[in-house]
Amino acid sequence: GEDVEQSLFLSVREGDSSVINCTYTDSSSTYLYWYKQEPGAGLQLLTYIFSNMDMKQDQRLTVLLNKKDKHLSLRIADTQTGDSAIYFCAETSGGSSASKIIFGSGTRLSIRP
Amino acid sequence: NAGVTQTPKFQVLKTGQSMTLQCAQDMNHEYMSWYRQDPGMGLRLIHYSVGAGITDQGEVPNGYNVSRSTTEDFPLRLLSAAPSQTSVYFCASSYSVGPPEAFFGQGTRLTVV
Repeated sequence: GEDVEQSLFLSVREGDSSVINCTYTDSSSTYLYWYKQEPGAGLQLLTYIFSNMDMKQDQRLTVLLNKKDKHLSLRIADTQTGDSAIYFCAETSGGSSASKIIFGSGTRLSIRP
Repeated sequence: NAGVTQTPKFQVLKTGQSMTLQCAQDMNHEYMSWYRQDPGMGLRLIHYSVGAGITDQGEVPNGYNVSRSTTEDFPLRLLSAAPSQTSVYFCASSYSVGPPEAFFGQGTRLTVV
């Protein structure tokens, strides 16, 4: 079945780059996502990548997809205190079945001064 | 545009009580879904709907019922609350085509004692 795995915690120094990793099992995944959850809030979409792409860059965010290894990563350049949050990797399969978004357990990113 | 609205934000129930968590969206989204979030387990899909009158089970449906009589509303019913249902519940909605970005409500924190 579908499964998405990520490490639970990451700590980086302010100004450094953060790299959050994720592995997934569904090779038919159409879209892969990164969502951000700030304390006490719902999830907000950060970025997504279509499964036929290798890389997507959006300002400080870079998403890398290795489809062969089913590995997805999110790089945040120049990490700031406002980036402290839980980051969820997620996938959908079957094209437009948006309701079946499968989430990982989330990686809590903390920023050291 | 209110987006996705969940009520209540907080709720304490006694074991065996029933209640309904409300979810409404004003974006004319076809897809709606309910997730529960537990520490270290990410978001798990409870039930989802691909349109009015159509619902289906997700990963953890036991103890919950849903209905979708209108496009806007997707209530989640707890039939007989159990302590294992203590969690944070999120409702999400999305369009049926294109990158299916899910919009999330702010969550309902439910405690069953």
